[in-house]
Amino acid sequence: TAGITQAPTSQILAAGRSMTLRCTQDMRHNAMYWYRQDLGLGLRLIHYSNTAGTTGKGEVPDGYSVSRANTDDFPLTLASAVPSQTSVYFCASRGTGYTGGYTFGSGTRLTVV
Amino acid sequence: EDQVTQSPEALRLQEGESSSLNCSYTVSGLRGLFWYRQDPGKGPEFLFTLYSAGEEKEKERLKATLTKKESFLHITAPKPEDSATYLCAVQPGRGGSNYKLTFGKGTLLTVNP
Repeated sequence: TAGITQAPTSQILAAGRSMTLRCTQDMRHNAMYWYRQDLGLGLRLIHYSNTAGTTGKGEVPDGYSVSRANTDDFPLTLASAVPSQTSVYFCASRGTGYTGGYTFGSGTRLTVV
Repeated sequence: EDQVTQSPEALRLQEGESSSLNCSYTVSGLRGLFWYRQDPGKGPEFLFTLYSAGEEKEKERLKATLTKKESFLHITAPKPEDSATYLCAVQPGRGGSNYKLTFGKGTLLTVNP
């Protein structure tokens, strides 16, 4: 089934450790996004990439980094995790044109202890 | 700064009891307004895109409408399977091909049988 695959599904991470959340899409979409979703705060944009080789900062980029080496993959890295990064992380993509919205992955639930 | 406010935060309906969800927005030149449905433990699922005031879109029991200041998601004769969180998002007109969306916090809809 075409779409976005995120891994892992969930993770418990010790504070201070690093981790990479994986995101792969098979729709050949140019634009990809990382959001975090927290109760009472909604979805907030962390980083985005309009096309392979380019990235940009969103609303809450501190503590996170991304890369976009090719069209399909958009990993999100936490260099040194802190408890405030406990959240559900969603990867999304969008093709060209205005007719459709984002396609979201199923999310990664991350708990930093 | 783009802002999206959804109301109510939660809505409980009886099966067959029609109602509306509200999405008020402030954005610099609206390029598109999006509605998503999110089930527990899953990523948001795209429902509609609205581009200009007066536009309406329908899908089964859902109808989305748009004015210059707000959008409504009308639910006609809802069923228990319509229970979900409904998210509204806006895409600003600035930024060229940048498709970054700003999301509201959502309305949690519960439909009781």
